[in-house]
Amino acid sequence: DTGVSQNPRHKITKRGQNVTFRCDPISEHNRLYWYRQTLGQGPEFLTYFQNEAQLEKSRLLSDRFSAERPKGSFSTLEIQRTEQGDSAMYLCASRTATGTDTQYFGPGTRLTVL
Amino acid sequence: SQQGEEDPQALSIQEGENATMNCSYKTSINNLQWYRQNSGRGLVHLILIRSNEREKHSGRLRVTLDTSKKSSSLLITASRAADTASYFCARRLSADGLTFGKGTHLIIQP
Repeated sequence: DTGVSQNPRHKITKRGQNVTFRCDPISEHNRLYWYRQTLGQGPEFLTYFQNEAQLEKSRLLSDRFSAERPKGSFSTLEIQRTEQGDSAMYLCASRTATGTDTQYFGPGTRLTVL
Repeated sequence: SQQGEEDPQALSIQEGENATMNCSYKTSINNLQWYRQNSGRGLVHLILIRSNEREKHSGRLRVTLDTSKKSSSLLITASRAADTASYFCARRLSADGLTFGKGTHLIIQP
């Protein structure tokens, strides 16, 4: 399967701990996106990369959140000093820079902060 | 905040019936997309309709777009149990991320 993959699929952590998620996009896709989805809501945009450059960050991305895509391939999203309000599904998506706006989503990482 | 709104929030129909859900938005668009999300397959792109298109079909799906009313509808014909999912409309934000509504949760009763 050459779709978008995310690891881990589930993460349970205690408040105050740091967590890191990984996203591997579809190989030829140079744009990569992170979204957060809470129960009963649609996904909310957090940030996106074109190759290794982070081009946009939502106001939802507090200073406890940092995302990287060092080689323009996989990306990591780190949350420092987690809070209970960070509990959500974190989704990654990718697409090519050309063509339509269609994004291809991974299965997500479900974070539970106790 | 989420700028697209799907209506209804929940819909339950019998298998074989048609399901219609609507999406309203506030700002101008280049295109509008519909996605489906269920627990088994995550968020999957269904169809994209451009602002200069009024209707688009894909299999059992029909999407309409009325830019004057800033609204779109998704029709699923001859529904199946596997269509049980949440359906979201999505638009591109000012730069490149998508903004989604809260979704319509569709349940197909056998």
